[in-house]
Amino acid sequence: KAGVTQTPRYLIKTRGQQVTLSCSPISGHRSVSWYQQTPGQGLQFLFEYFSETQRNKGNFPGRFSGRQFSNSRSEMNVSTLELGDSALYLCASSLGGGGSYEQYFGPGTRLTVT
Amino acid sequence: AQSVTQLGSHVSVSEGALVLLRCNYSSSVPPYLFWYVQYPNQGLQLLLKYTTGATLVKGINGFEAEFKKSETSFHLTKPSAHMSDAAEYFCAVSPASGGSYIPTFGRGTSLIVHP
Repeated sequence: KAGVTQTPRYLIKTRGQQVTLSCSPISGHRSVSWYQQTPGQGLQFLFEYFSETQRNKGNFPGRFSGRQFSNSRSEMNVSTLELGDSALYLCASSLGGGGSYEQYFGPGTRLTVT
Repeated sequence: AQSVTQLGSHVSVSEGALVLLRCNYSSSVPPYLFWYVQYPNQGLQLLLKYTTGATLVKGINGFEAEFKKSETSFHLTKPSAHMSDAAEYFCAVSPASGGSYIPTFGRGTSLIVHP
């Protein structure tokens, strides 16, 4: 089975711009979660989608949004970028349904905001 | 509410020595417990998990962890470190019941292996 893929792998944007990141989960996985990873804050949960519906949301401002398509692929969008948004954004998929399911992570998108 | 504490942001061992990475959790309901590893420029990979049953869990690459409810711990061990084990290790906890099952991750422990 192919793993979780994320595109692009690296991205450089300027403050005030917006960005869209893409994630393709493992085939058959219906749950997709997004995390922000930074040296200072560690891994922080952004949101989780299941069957095209946002099921859980972390404590991030409304500038961070996401969606999931019928084929389970997911995108996240960050508008009005700030310097502090520079981070590794990780997507993870799972079969879903409960906390016993492990998550399978993609390699991440490294976003740099200048 | 749940939280995870990983003692030691860095752990340094010699090749062939015992690896011990500590994880303590706090959870209002019985948890599921996970250890993930992250190599440079990669995402996280599951090493092992505890859901129910035997409290000593064996994972990939020779790692194992023991769930100790009385100590609220889930420490990760490996008898003999290899250079290839150098990476960042994350402990995570999910509630086994209740509302949100989104895992909470610890801050990570960087394992350094000296030749």
